[in-house]
Amino acid sequence: DGGITQSPKYLFRKEGQNVTLSCEQNLNHDAMYWYRQDPGQGLRLIYYSQIVNDFQKGDIAEGYSVSREKKESFPLTVTSAQKNPTAFYLCATQGGGGGIEQFFGPGTRLTVL
Amino acid sequence: QQQVKQSPQSLIVQKGGISIINCAYENTAFDYFPWYQQFPGKGPALLIAIRPDVSEKKEGRFTISFNKSAKQFSLHIMDSQPGDSATYFCAASGNTGKLIFGQGTTLQVKP
Repeated sequence: DGGITQSPKYLFRKEGQNVTLSCEQNLNHDAMYWYRQDPGQGLRLIYYSQIVNDFQKGDIAEGYSVSREKKESFPLTVTSAQKNPTAFYLCATQGGGGGIEQFFGPGTRLTVL
Repeated sequence: QQQVKQSPQSLIVQKGGISIINCAYENTAFDYFPWYQQFPGKGPALLIAIRPDVSEKKEGRFTISFNKSAKQFSLHIMDSQPGDSATYFCAASGNTGKLIFGQGTTLQVKP
């Protein structure tokens, strides 16, 4: 997770509230990804961005939104439309010299109260 | 066609033993196969990866075996140690760069 910062580490939300998870990177990587991880399951892709000011939906985008105004930042908003938002959220980056490897941040655990 | 199937779901190995985790894929366009290691409460860390032009890649105690005709690849952990206890994910991607992950294998290495 060197060079990728996610904040906060833990986040508690009341039902009906929108919350924004931060992901910042200093690796100069072009692509950034958001994944959701539920207990005993693999990682599921929420949104991804391959370049500034452009992003695409992943497999489970409903109830989430993102922006990519800067290369270094890719915040994820969990909206009240997401019916079951309690999960571990992971941000990843990819790129730099044409590299295909994805590197993950430390994650944010979101709990809906 | 986008699935990656991983087995077993959990694995218990004695210290010094060999841990073997298997993955199978369907999409023949996949050309990059990484393995990630994840400790509880942490983000996954890239462990080792392979391209289909080789059948095996070894890094220390970790080896990937790749069978292109069977569309299968596996992770072997030699001389397994208690510190290897973690969840392991296989993944695959093609030219889009998007990774498709397996469901994960929880490995416990007993002292």
